[in-house]
Amino acid sequence: GDSVTQMEGPVTLSEEAFLTINCTYTATGYPSLFWYVQYPGEGLQLLLKATKADDKGSNKGFEATYRKETTSFHLEKGSVQVSDSAVYFCALRPNSGGGADGLTFGKGTHLIIQP
Amino acid sequence: SAVISQKPSRDICQRGTSLTIQCQVDSQVTMMFWYRQQPGQSLTLIATANQGSEATYESGFVIDKFPISRPNLTFSTLTVSNMSPEDSSIYLCSAVTYDALVGGYTFGSGTRLTVV
Repeated sequence: GDSVTQMEGPVTLSEEAFLTINCTYTATGYPSLFWYVQYPGEGLQLLLKATKADDKGSNKGFEATYRKETTSFHLEKGSVQVSDSAVYFCALRPNSGGGADGLTFGKGTHLIIQP
Repeated sequence: SAVISQKPSRDICQRGTSLTIQCQVDSQVTMMFWYRQQPGQSLTLIATANQGSEATYESGFVIDKFPISRPNLTFSTLTVSNMSPEDSSIYLCSAVTYDALVGGYTFGSGTRLTVV
């Protein structure tokens, strides 16, 4: 079945550091890929998404590029802030020919940014 | 994107009892889903809530344990039946509008359930 693997946390960085959170997936066909963020005490929010190979999703300074050849969707940000501290989830939606399926999630990466 | 209200936000329940979680969406959506997030784990899809018909359950989840209703396009309930401490988790409702690829999937804020 489909699966998503992302780097284990917690990841601790200093403010203004460069961030990479790795995400790789296993799926048949051409899934859609997502990054969700969960801030402390809040619900899941969509951060960015990509629906086909070579698409780049971006939002709030975060970027991720859909790499079909490496089955990856790594999340990056050039300069992190304390307010970016949260849990980040990589997820995929199978390519099921137009229907809307539930998402398959990675285990989440807890990011801690220190001042 | 749609806004989801989920309640209760948290509850502490005795083993052997049942809890019903409600999910209300502020607009008509095509699909609604229920997930479980066990402590320190990722989100696992429980089922797809189908409007006017029986829910579609994922492997490892059954209707007797997690009955789901969806009487209309904006409302769904999940019941956790005959609870045991292993059911202690966060349960989340999710909804997707017609064009899921544009709008993405929206999530409720979750119900934190503790079974004692």
